[in-house]
Amino acid sequence: GAVVSQHPSRVICKSGTSVKIECRSLDFQATTMFWYRQFPKKSLMLMATSNEGSKATYEQGVEKDKFLINHASLTLSTLTVTSAHPEDSSFYICSARDQGAIYNSPLHFGNGTRLTVT
Amino acid sequence: DQQVKQNSPSLSVQEGRISILNCDYTNSMFDYFLWYKKYPAEGPTFLISISSIKDKNEDGRFTVFLNKSAKHLSLHIVPSQPGDSAVYFCAASARNNNDMRFGAGTRLTVKP
Repeated sequence: GAVVSQHPSRVICKSGTSVKIECRSLDFQATTMFWYRQFPKKSLMLMATSNEGSKATYEQGVEKDKFLINHASLTLSTLTVTSAHPEDSSFYICSARDQGAIYNSPLHFGNGTRLTVT
Repeated sequence: DQQVKQNSPSLSVQEGRISILNCDYTNSMFDYFLWYKKYPAEGPTFLISISSIKDKNEDGRFTVFLNKSAKHLSLHIVPSQPGDSAVYFCAASARNNNDMRFGAGTRLTVKP
């Protein structure tokens, strides 16, 4: 089955520093990857759609300069949380869809990254 | 704007009984619905889906029902097993949009 690897699974950083989260599709190519954020007892909130070779599409209210997304290849997307603050502490999950799949094909998710900013 | 809603944060069911998880949506453009299952510290995994042209889809112990007029869908698990204990997310997608919207999830606990 399709596997999405997300790294790191857990990271603790100090306020003001930047953190990079990687999302890799291991056995398929993904033209599009999605980054979600989950707050406690809240839904998976779509942050942005990462498009290979072009700029990411951000959801309303998500700061582009704070959450930098790079999708440099068909198997790798990265999310960098810049100048992290305690309120950025959350569970971040990436997902990907096979490039040949249609819009309603299930997404394949990584295992998420628990970010704690102290 | 919560386009997909799961109003029950938790559900507890006895092993062997039926579990019914509910989901409501507001966007009439949604035409495909999915259920995902999530264990702690893992990403969601796809469970079952249904197209808007159907009102029922069954896969083993899992059945999803769709009521388009009510903008409501439900996931039935029968018989429920302790291994089914997890958080279940309802998701929806629209033909004119590439992304997928999720509900808040319902934590199902199946007691032995």
